Amino acid sequence: AQTVTQSQPEMSVQEAETVTLSCTYDTSESDYYLFWYKQPPSRQMILVIRQEAYKQQNATENRFSVNFQKAAKSFSLKISDSQLGDAAMYFCAYRSANYGGSQGNLIFGKGTKLSVKP
Amino acid sequence: SAVISQKPSRDICQRGTSLTIQCQVDSQVTMMFWYRQQPGQSLTLIATANQGSEATYESGFVIDKFPISRPNLTFSTLTVSNMSPEDSSIYLCSAGTGGSSNEKLFFGSGTQLSVL
Repeated sequence: AQTVTQSQPEMSVQEAETVTLSCTYDTSESDYYLFWYKQPPSRQMILVIRQEAYKQQNATENRFSVNFQKAAKSFSLKISDSQLGDAAMYFCAYRSANYGGSQGNLIFGKGTKLSVKP
Repeated sequence: SAVISQKPSRDICQRGTSLTIQCQVDSQVTMMFWYRQQPGQSLTLIATANQGSEATYESGFVIDKFPISRPNLTFSTLTVSNMSPEDSSIYLCSAGTGGSSNEKLFFGSGTQLSVL
């Protein structure tokens, strides 16, 4: 079974600085997707960034980028120029690309609570 | 993208009663799912809501406790039956378009349930 591990329960960053959130995963599959979701106090899960395992190029979305190391099964999120609105829980998630069963089942890590200091 | 509306946003219920949570998507989607997020924990998939057929439940979740309906491609309900304090959680609906490498899952804002 696949597992996702986020080893940092809490992180803190100064506004305008850069912070990196760690995520590792375990799988025997070769084809899968990885995600970072943000959950602010409103509870809404917001997709931050998405990476296909078959792509070597790291995904980027504005101030958000990932460092995807497939061999090491590592998928860290870098937030540049941190803003107060970035404060939230961040969840790393895995989804198999294989069909059948729970096609869309996202397997989540336990989350990292990010605080941004003004 | 898809906008997901979930009702109610929160509720406080008595032990032994049932609560039905509604999830409405603003466009037709292939996949709909129900997740549970216990206090301070991550999200766990309860079941996949299948349109026109019985839901597919994950290990540890059963239909008698969490009956699910999905009468069409934009709407689903989750019922939490015979509630106990252990059912106090956030319940989230999610939806996505399956079968495409561009599939993204979108989430509602959740229902915060407290059982007394």
